[in-house]
Amino acid sequence: AQSVAQPEDQVNVAEGNPLTVKCTYSVSGNPYLFWYVQYPNRGLQFLLKYITGDNLVKGSYGFEAEFNKSQTSFHLKKPSALVSDSALYFCAVLDVSGGSYIPTFGRGTSLIVHP
Amino acid sequence: DTAVSQTPKYLVTQMGNDKSIKCEQNLGHDTMYWYKQDSKKFLKIMFSYNNKELIINETVPNRFSPKSPDKAHLNLHINSLELGDSAVYFCASSQVGVIGRELFFGEGSRLTVL
Repeated sequence: AQSVAQPEDQVNVAEGNPLTVKCTYSVSGNPYLFWYVQYPNRGLQFLLKYITGDNLVKGSYGFEAEFNKSQTSFHLKKPSALVSDSALYFCAVLDVSGGSYIPTFGRGTSLIVHP
Repeated sequence: DTAVSQTPKYLVTQMGNDKSIKCEQNLGHDTMYWYKQDSKKFLKIMFSYNNKELIINETVPNRFSPKSPDKAHLNLHINSLELGDSAVYFCASSQVGVIGRELFFGEGSRLTVL
């Protein structure tokens, strides 16, 4: 079984400040982890993923995420937020060792960056 | 070129009607999906389909059915529409054989049932 939790419905941050959007997961085997972003009235866009290797992965638009196996977390980070980063962010998990190829998405976290 | 395209983008219809949403991908992917996003933005998998198997989320009413004329298309048919079917429906695709398997999403089709 695979599941993912995004504990915050909304994150507010001032422009220029660092941001963190939290994600924790649960899988039986090894996880593939993903972050997607959804701008208003648009589809989801892939940001970054963790498959194996370095725990810190870098993605689009200056975002990065850190895989922490002991804490079963994959938090999304950015050193300096932009107003244009305001969007809905989804974490997703895939337990490949379980034979599934259908990811499970979290409930989404709305990121609001204030000028 | 749009990688995953859905039509129509907006659909307003009456309860009890039957409607279809079309999806096409030009990425050469082997697997396509339909997701439903409700008013709270929660994403729920409805179907996934590749040329080998159709996986149906057991919670999806059988009024919903996917139809795949070929591997580049996965259309969604909905019979006897109900008010609760109002949502945004997203089509997506991926190449299951590629490590990582991220999904590519369409822009969504907003269905409103009156």
